[in-house]
Amino acid sequence: EVRLVESGGGLVQPGKSLRLSCVVSGFTFSVNAIHWVRQAPGKGLEWVSGLSWNSGTIGYADSVKGRFTISRDNAKNSLFLQMDSLRVEDTAFYYCVKGRGGYLHRDLDYWGQGTLVTVSS
Amino acid sequence: QSVLTQPPSVSGAPGQRVTISCTGSDSNLGSNYDVHWYQQLPGTAPRLLIYDNNNRPSGVPDRFSGSKSATSASLAIAGLQAEDEADYYCQSYDSSLTGNVFGTGTKVTVL
Repeated sequence: EVRLVESGGGLVQPGKSLRLSCVVSGFTFSVNAIHWVRQAPGKGLEWVSGLSWNSGTIGYADSVKGRFTISRDNAKNSLFLQMDSLRVEDTAFYYCVKGRGGYLHRDLDYWGQGTLVTVSS
Repeated sequence: QSVLTQPPSVSGAPGQRVTISCTGSDSNLGSNYDVHWYQQLPGTAPRLLIYDNNNRPSGVPDRFSGSKSATSASLAIAGLQAEDEADYYCQSYDSSLTGNVFGTGTKVTVL
């Protein structure tokens, strides 16, 4: 069974940092692309960032470029999102999502349950 | 910023057929990137419904079908059922943004 479990969400003040983690199981993590997708409460889906299977291709949404850093540890079946200079508009559920195949342009075939990040003073 | 445009809502009676459009541009759907569709039931994470324009993952009923032509795509739900009431999103890759993009989302209501 494919599982993606996010952690690290919580309440943080504007301008501060937070690091999200995602541990996966049930598939060969090292050969798949992996992504973060977020959803503000009551709003639509927004792709945040993605990594190809070997970290050779990295993508970021314009809204987080320069503030967020995605990384993966294939030996530990883990994905990370370092979020710096957080803004109120970064408040959202953050989903860890498996990509089909090794590259960023494919569909997103398995989703975690999400972790809530709230940016507020 | 959503570069794929969907109607905010569609509705239909049980048993009817509804369609949801997804309009893109030359840098995404028009660049031969595939379109994928997701269903999000209230209070749950999204799930993959259609991939690579018209393929259903295992477990998705054949009432759901997809198509794509040039810079637009559509999702059709035939024989609408109460459990189909959900939000639906299209998704593709954009070569100008060098990243994935989602549609604006469509809420399906079963009357």
